[in-house]
Amino acid sequence: DQQVKQNSPSLSVQEGRISILNCDYTNSMFDYFLWYKKYPAEGPTFLISISSIKDKNEDGRFTVFLNKSAKHLSLHIVPSQPGDSAVYFCAASYYNNNDMRFGAGTRLTVKP
Amino acid sequence: EAGVAQSPRYKIIEKRQSVAFWCNPISGHATLYWYQQILGQGPKLLIQFQNNGVVDDSQLPKDRFSAERLKGVDSTLKIQPAKLEDSAVYLCASSLSGVGPLHFGNGTRLTVT
Repeated sequence: DQQVKQNSPSLSVQEGRISILNCDYTNSMFDYFLWYKKYPAEGPTFLISISSIKDKNEDGRFTVFLNKSAKHLSLHIVPSQPGDSAVYFCAASYYNNNDMRFGAGTRLTVKP
Repeated sequence: EAGVAQSPRYKIIEKRQSVAFWCNPISGHATLYWYQQILGQGPKLLIQFQNNGVVDDSQLPKDRFSAERLKGVDSTLKIQPAKLEDSAVYLCASSLSGVGPLHFGNGTRLTVT
């Protein structure tokens, strides 16, 4: 069962523009959401998270938005930089971290 | 802070052979996870340890996969016998206490021919 879905396998944006990556989930019991970034031949690296009591969390150029009623979250990167080119995974879990579920990933390419 | 260490980085075996992967988590991290990532999919949890006890192994194919965590630190994941569909990247991750983000190693890419 795929409880976390990233429907866009890839996204290409121009340097300096906004990148918006989307994620949907089906389990309303999830209360902790994360984004990970993965470069080739490396493991995923934690980027930003949000708990279900918030609808927005910001860290520098990265902002995550959570819409609980729509079971949807998004990651905004502003401004996008070529070094942001990577695969981005959305993940969801209960706050105690058991069985974190991952989406299939979105490959972001930022063109100079 | 040293990251999560995994070895080997790559492994190629024939089907029905056995293979083992090793993981050393970040020092002091009580919780250790093994994930399987098949090409084009997100990581899928195989097993979670809290210290040297198993918290969740509901998605571990126990007829062929086994894992242990010695003295609550290092861990090994074994596959015996391997099948073609086991070809994947095996990721080890750790967290301080089972709460918050996971710290992943660089993974072991397994190819079963």
